[in-house]
Amino acid sequence: DTGVSQNPRHKITKRGQNVTFRCDPISEHNRLYWYRQTLGQVPEFLTYFQNEAQLEKSRLLSDRFSAERPKGSFSTLEIQRTEQGDSAMYLCASSLALGTGGNSPLHFGNGTRLTVT
Amino acid sequence: GESVGLHLPTLSVQEGDNSIINCAYSNSASDYFIWYKQESGKGPQFIIDIRSNMDKRQGQRVTVLLNKTVKHLSLQIAATQPGDSAVYFCAENWGTGFQKLVFGTGTRLLVSP
Repeated sequence: DTGVSQNPRHKITKRGQNVTFRCDPISEHNRLYWYRQTLGQVPEFLTYFQNEAQLEKSRLLSDRFSAERPKGSFSTLEIQRTEQGDSAMYLCASSLALGTGGNSPLHFGNGTRLTVT
Repeated sequence: GESVGLHLPTLSVQEGDNSIINCAYSNSASDYFIWYKQESGKGPQFIIDIRSNMDKRQGQRVTVLLNKTVKHLSLQIAATQPGDSAVYFCAENWGTGFQKLVFGTGTRLLVSP
């Protein structure tokens, strides 16, 4: 499978604990995105990387959230001191920047479902 | 998946019918639009996209129409199949030089055999 891969698929944690998710994008894609989808809602943009540089962050990304993409390939999203309101599906997506200044379509992984108890 | 909202508009069709799913977008400056399909337990799956310099684009069994005058998108699915049952989202791009997608509320498509 050469699509976007996310691990773990499910994570249950207690309030106050730290969690980390991993995303492996499509191999030739240089842009990587994190979105969040809470139950019954639509995906919302969190942050975006071009190669290893984090170029845009949403106001939704509080100080407890940190994302990295150290070598411009896989990415991690860490949530510190989790709260019940963090319960959601965390979606990773990737795309290829085109020479025309555009992008190939965003392709999403199947997400990591976080439940904070 | 997470798209199990209780208040999603629902379109019910019979297998073999054509389906039309509509979407209104909000940003007149958006230059790129995408339709996604989301099945339970999965992430959004790319269906088709269209740039603002076009008003129609066709794929395999799908057609997207863009009306910039009224800020409206539609997705037409020909010969709908039970496997097409899912939640469908349109998304518009608010980013400049990257894809900061803003998703519409979604429509649940139910296809009966």
